[in-house]
Amino acid sequence: EVQLVESGGGLVQPGGSLRLSCAASGFAFSSFWMSWVRQAPGKGLEWVANIEKDGSEKYYVDSLKGRFTISRDNAKKSLYLQMNSLRAEDTAVYYCGRGKWNFDLWGRGTLVTVSS
Amino acid sequence: EIVLTQSPGTLSLSPGERATLSCRASQTVSAGYLAWYQQKPGQAPRLLIYGASNRATGIPDRFSGSGSGTDFTLTISRLEPEDFAVYYCQQYSSSPITFGQGTRLEIK
Repeated sequence: EVQLVESGGGLVQPGGSLRLSCAASGFAFSSFWMSWVRQAPGKGLEWVANIEKDGSEKYYVDSLKGRFTISRDNAKKSLYLQMNSLRAEDTAVYYCGRGKWNFDLWGRGTLVTVSS
Repeated sequence: EIVLTQSPGTLSLSPGERATLSCRASQTVSAGYLAWYQQKPGQAPRLLIYGASNRATGIPDRFSGSGSGTDFTLTISRLEPEDFAVYYCQQYSSSPITFGQGTRLEIK
C-alpha cells in the first residue's frame, strides 16, 4: 500500500526538542522530493520545509530557519524533522507530504503540543 | 511572500448545487503554479487540482480548476454529500510555498 506514516509527536516543554519521523512505503521514496506541512489546532495549513531526492537541497519557511532541520534516509525510506527551541506557537499537527511544490500523498499527521 | 485570500469564508449549499470557490493572490502566480486541496475533519488534506486546472489522480470530473495570474477558481459542478469539507488553495510559484486560509463548504 502506498502510504506515509508520521510518528514522534507528543507533549514537550517550551525550549525543548523533538524529532519527527515519516515512514514511506509502497513507492520509490528516493525518487521524490518530500515536505513537511503543519496545521495549528483549528487553523490553516503552513508549509514548513522540503528536501531534494538525495537530500542535497533543503528549503525552509523563513520563520523556522535555524530551529528546524529536515533530513532523510533513503535506505530506510524515512523523512525526519528535527525541531529545537520549541515554542507554544509550534503546537500543531505535522504532516509529511510527497512532493516538492504540491503534495499528492499525505500522512495522517502527528500532533506536537508545546506546553509547560 | 505571496498571500492567498480565499472567498467566501463559508459557503452554504445543498447537494446537487454548483459550488464556486475563489482564490486571489497578492502577486502573479507564475505558470499557473496553483493547487487546490480538500480536507475533511480529522483527515489529512487531499490534492484535487494542480497547475491551476489539472485534476489529480482519482479526482472526479465534477471538480475543475481555472484561472491565471492572480485569480483562480475551484468549481464543483454538482455537489455530492462527501464534498462538504474545507478547501485550501496553495501557490508554489515562489518561495515560500503558501496556502490560503480556507473555504468551508457546508450543507445548507
